[in-house]
Amino acid sequence: AQSVSQHNHHVILSEAASLELGCNYSYGGTVNLFWYVQYPGQHLQLLLKYFSGDPLVKGIKGFEAEFIKSKFSFNLRKPSVQWSDTAEYFCAVNAGAGRRALTFGSGTRLQVQP
Amino acid sequence: NAGVMQNPRHLVRRRGQEARLRCSPMKGHSHVYWYRQLPEEGLKFMVYLQKENIIDESGMPKERFSAEFPKEGPSILRIQQVVRGDSAAYFCASSPSRDRGYEQYFGPGTRLTVT
Repeated sequence: AQSVSQHNHHVILSEAASLELGCNYSYGGTVNLFWYVQYPGQHLQLLLKYFSGDPLVKGIKGFEAEFIKSKFSFNLRKPSVQWSDTAEYFCAVNAGAGRRALTFGSGTRLQVQP
Repeated sequence: NAGVMQNPRHLVRRRGQEARLRCSPMKGHSHVYWYRQLPEEGLKFMVYLQKENIIDESGMPKERFSAEFPKEGPSILRIQQVVRGDSAAYFCASSPSRDRGYEQYFGPGTRLTVT
């Protein structure tokens, strides 16, 4: 069965610092990859997705992620975080022909200090 | 532009009672997904439904849990004889079609507490 690992459970950064959140998945076939964000008190929102093509994908609010197939990774990055980026971030994978279920990582709680 | 609606937002049940969670998909969406999030864990897929059909229930516990998505009305996730281990946040997502099943829009969740 596929699984998703997010290695950082809690990250604390100062404003303007650069961000990289790790995501690794275990599945040997074709995958679709997602990052979701959950701001305090709000529901999950899609930040960005990768289906195929350019492995560097850009999402909303200045976030980007790079798919490295050889490393089974899809790390999320942002060059300069803001206090408003404080949220929980979830990596998710969809794998397996015909399946639509998403497999989520356990999440990374990001706290940005002003 | 109403998003995915879930109610109730918070539900408290005593052990042995039944819990009914409702999900109204986005307008124009006919596919619904239910996920469960236990404390300190990520969301785990439970079931995927189309109107009047269960497409994939590979994540549903074998007992006490059932889901439906009738032709009219919201999707319902039903948990019979709840136990403390059922305490979790239950999220519903919807998508416009099977082909666009990767575009899942999430609701705010229902937080179930079993006392």
